[in-house]
Amino acid sequence: QVQVQQRGARLVKPSETLSLTCDVSNGSLSGYFWTWVRQPPGKGLEWIGEINHHGSTNYNPSLKGRVTISIDTSKNQFSLSLSSVTAAETAVYYCARQTVTAYRYSGMDVWGQGTTVTVSS
Amino acid sequence: IVLTQSPGTLSLSPGERATLSCRAGQSVYSSFLAWYQQKPGQAPRLLIYGASNRATGIPDRFSGSGSGTDFTLTISKVEPEDFAVYYCQQYGASPRITFGQGTRLEIK
Repeated sequence: QVQVQQRGARLVKPSETLSLTCDVSNGSLSGYFWTWVRQPPGKGLEWIGEINHHGSTNYNPSLKGRVTISIDTSKNQFSLSLSSVTAAETAVYYCARQTVTAYRYSGMDVWGQGTTVTVSS
Repeated sequence: IVLTQSPGTLSLSPGERATLSCRAGQSVYSSFLAWYQQKPGQAPRLLIYGASNRATGIPDRFSGSGSGTDFTLTISKVEPEDFAVYYCQQYGASPRITFGQGTRLEIK
């Protein structure tokens, strides 16, 4: 069964860069879009961006060029980098797997455990 | 595409039928509409994809329907473990992915 394990810094200073990585085990990165979603305390879900195994990315325009998602197929992992963070970006950050074709979307079916990231000095 | 879920909170007793609505600001391809359940302290869990297809392991009391701009998640008889927050999500338009704001299903 595919599993996704998140890791990264849980405390980030304002104006610095948030970095998280998801390690995928018991499965391949190929054939899927891998996505990042965040959830501020007590609030709903916000999509950050996605990447496929070719390195093709899509980002939420609201993040105004501060986000970079990368993939390393040799290590079976993908990563999130979010620069110039503010306290308002304190949230639980999730990674997840999606299956997407031209005609069908099968949803985010495998999720990481979530990482609570606090932006504070 | 903005997704608006209603009601914000739904108060029901176990055994009752739950009907959750998701309305899109513009038409969404049915094949690209999903529903999730989230319990406190947990990651969301995929329930429905393609508007009406149950994900692996999801009980058949959960069903999805709809097309265009109006979609519905129905729980035929709510079980105690179903009390949670439910989100709809679309894939396709810019931004590529949007979520509804969620409906909280609480015990009456």
